[in-house]
Amino acid sequence: QLVESGGGVVQPGKSLRLSCAVSGFTFSTYGMHWVRQAPGKGLEWVAVTSHDGSSEDYADSVKGRFTISRDNSGNRLYLQMNSLSAEDSAVYYCARQQYVRDAFDVWGQGTVVTVSS
Amino acid sequence: ETVLTQSPDTLSLSPGERATLSCRASQSVSSYLAWYQQKPGQAPRLLIYDASSRATGTPLRFSGSRSGTDFTLTISSLEPEDFAVYYCQQRSTRPPFTFGQGTKVEIK
Repeated sequence: QLVESGGGVVQPGKSLRLSCAVSGFTFSTYGMHWVRQAPGKGLEWVAVTSHDGSSEDYADSVKGRFTISRDNSGNRLYLQMNSLSAEDSAVYYCARQQYVRDAFDVWGQGTVVTVSS
Repeated sequence: ETVLTQSPDTLSLSPGERATLSCRASQSVSSYLAWYQQKPGQAPRLLIYDASSRATGTPLRFSGSRSGTDFTLTISSLEPEDFAVYYCQQRSTRPPFTFGQGTKVEIK
């Protein structure tokens, strides 16, 4: 099970940190992702971290502003979001990458981020 | 940049009809394409991975196939609960993971 938290309303230029609490599987075995969905829009992949946190990658739209991290001892995934703009307003989902495959097989329910003055 | 283009944008069908959804990659990519179903207010749900393998719990009426850079999701006979938005997704070079824009299957 994946449970996101940390969303809310934030002013442009400010920061927010999202959290995803993981239970029910061995967290340290899986790559983990953040995927977002702007209101009325499609899915946009945001970031990935490897199972041990040793590597990460980002969509060009967030590179340099967002940082994905994980705490394998505490079974949590994080997304630090800085310099937020209105274009970052979305539902943010954490998702598990299938073991040795490239699909996302477990998703959280999402947390809403609204960037507005 | 790899782009996944889904067609059509909207598919209007009646329960019991066959639905055929397409996803085309802008360049030659792996066969590791996935399909997701999303209903309003819900998170996406994995249906198909590796182009044609059903995820756990995916009904048999859902099937996936590939021909070159063209991928197809077929729903053999639409049930009322199948009316939703469907996304394809693939791992690529840049960005490393890509979604199509989605196809809405609506009740005619």
